[in-house]
Amino acid sequence: IQMTQSPSSLSASMGDRITISCRASQGIANYLNWYQQKPGKAPKLLVFATSSLQSGVPSRFSGSRSGTDFTLTINSLQSEDFATYFCQQSYITPWTFGQGTKVEIK
Amino acid sequence: EVQLVESGGGLVQPGRSLRLSCAASGFTFHDYAVHWVRQAPGKGLEWVSGISWNSRNIGYADSVKGRFTISRDNAKNSLYLQMNSLRTEDTALYFCTKENFVSGPTGLDSWGQGTLVTVSS
Repeated sequence: IQMTQSPSSLSASMGDRITISCRASQGIANYLNWYQQKPGKAPKLLVFATSSLQSGVPSRFSGSRSGTDFTLTINSLQSEDFATYFCQQSYITPWTFGQGTKVEIK
Repeated sequence: EVQLVESGGGLVQPGRSLRLSCAASGFTFHDYAVHWVRQAPGKGLEWVSGISWNSRNIGYADSVKGRFTISRDNAKNSLYLQMNSLRTEDTALYFCTKENFVSGPTGLDSWGQGTLVTVSS
């Protein structure tokens, strides 16, 4: 299953609302997860099963789905949110990740 | 506190072998599926392999199938990755990770800091 993530990068300002998209090449039900990674660090699970927020993750993060299109939304971007984000399907092995979206400060 | 500590990385020549280990603590290791995920320098994440709690279900990325073997020892709270016939494209930081819940594939909630494998002549 191919996961096509877009955009590959975006520039935004603190307080902005941003969306990151991920399209699966076939149906994956709700088996879609989102991760945040900062330079030199391991990835951090933000959202699992399309829209369930991982414990401890701020409520400004949310996930949604329309068919095979998935979206991560960050409301009111904070300084600590500037990072790279990856989607990942866990519907069937081999599990696959999107290419990543780097969120930079405008 | 969940801890996953990888070891065994290093510099190896193409065609040679390496065995990675991951020591787990802070959770009931034998209840969870665990995985290896890698990241080449400056690149994205690539799932490598995963193994169920009882070792009955195992999966591999196409890029490593037939060369890598995942295994676990629940008595030692340890995960392993035997890597044979290494290629330069296997150069990456290898992370050990665990699944979020025992009930199903709901993401990878805990990660080690990774062990670097460099394949070069």
